[in-house]
Amino acid sequence: GQNIDQPTEMTATEGAIVQINCTYQTSGFNGLFWYQQHAGEAPTFLSYNVLDGLEEKGRFSSFLSRSKGYSYLLLKELQMKDSASYLCALDQAGTALIFGKGTTLSVSS
Amino acid sequence: ETGVTQSPTHLIKTRGQQVTLRCSSQSGHNTVSWYQQALGQGPQFIFQYYREEENGRGNFPPRFSGLQFPNYSSELNVNALELDDSALYLCASSPGTGGYSPLHFGNGTRLTVT
Repeated sequence: GQNIDQPTEMTATEGAIVQINCTYQTSGFNGLFWYQQHAGEAPTFLSYNVLDGLEEKGRFSSFLSRSKGYSYLLLKELQMKDSASYLCALDQAGTALIFGKGTTLSVSS
Repeated sequence: ETGVTQSPTHLIKTRGQQVTLRCSSQSGHNTVSWYQQALGQGPQFIFQYYREEENGRGNFPPRFSGLQFPNYSSELNVNALELDDSALYLCASSPGTGGYSPLHFGNGTRLTVT
């Protein structure tokens, strides 16, 4: 089965850099997604990692290490609007996404 | 801006009743998935439909059922509602199955069972 762990809450200040970690235990998966979810809204796609390494997309980057069962989402130049829940999800056989519980990030001025 | 719309946005039902939630996927998206998100939790996979056939199912009892229609709309039906069914129900569509195919989520239906 899968066991996905993320920190429950994180806080940071505007302009800072924050790293949200995700660890997992699974027998196999296609890739790993990160989604952002503002309160009361739909999750929105941020990134997808298939291969080990860093994927950079503007202020957001995501890293995957399959051998270590580890991923992180890096947010740079934090803005107030980045306050949201960040969900790590394993892509299992192109059917189900297995989500972690999410990390609630609070950005303060 | 999401192309997936769900209705209703909020719903209150009584234990034992039945409920139907509706979703309109993005045009051209043949795959629709339904997720249940309890408060403070990540979404949990209920099932997926591809071209009107169930294509995968999570650990939910048979009283959770679905339909997908040719016009990119779909339904989630829940019979014999229980208090624990109170949650946000998310519909998500994607162009196909397998590989890199990010899900496009709707804003969800907030179901409260009393």
